[in-house]
Amino acid sequence: DAKTTQPPSMDCAEGRAANLPCNHSTISGNEYVYWYRQIHSQGPQYIIHGLKNNETNEMASLIITEDRKSSTLILPHATLRDTAVYYCIVRVDYNNNDMRFGAGTRLTVKP
Amino acid sequence: GAVVSQHPSRVICKSGTSVKIECRSLDFQATTMFWYRQFPKQSLMLMATSNEGSKATYEQGVEKDKFLINHASLTLSTLTVTSAHPEDSSFYICSARHSYEQYFGPGTRLTVT
Repeated sequence: DAKTTQPPSMDCAEGRAANLPCNHSTISGNEYVYWYRQIHSQGPQYIIHGLKNNETNEMASLIITEDRKSSTLILPHATLRDTAVYYCIVRVDYNNNDMRFGAGTRLTVKP
Repeated sequence: GAVVSQHPSRVICKSGTSVKIECRSLDFQATTMFWYRQFPKQSLMLMATSNEGSKATYEQGVEKDKFLINHASLTLSTLTVTSAHPEDSSFYICSARHSYEQYFGPGTRLTVT
């Protein structure tokens, strides 16, 4: 699986959009971009995933660059409950491939 | 949605004893489950892949005789930490594969005294 690079930490004001970047310059054509988050002392929570088109769900939006070498997770209106570590993972989306986590970005939403 | 549970959520055991952690998929069947370990302020590290009805596949550096994994049914995988030592104290998280997604349990905090 390709590796990802994320900033170690970010701050965001409550109510503002949080934009979390992820670099995956060695991504292969059949690898998806997944985002999970982990609130302190809990298991990871799935947020969103995509292949090459931008995706949106009730939690977030995922913007993938045309060359697929980077992506941005957008939380449109961050709340204090969004404070967590956010993990960007690239993996092939079939069979029994496991999910391997990098260091992630610690997002702190401030009042 | 798919739900994965773990039991217990917290456990304290004495050095030298064994402790079993259960991982259940509540509303789906999972032929494959994964076990992760997370030390404080670190990311999740995959320990092993558990396949129903067959032996688990362990990651390099993980002692298979110390961390016994059993996946006896399509909804249950267990991790037994044998002869636990204080350095085994960690947050253990399981996940189960459903369709093409992975769903994670809430984790088990193990403290070995």
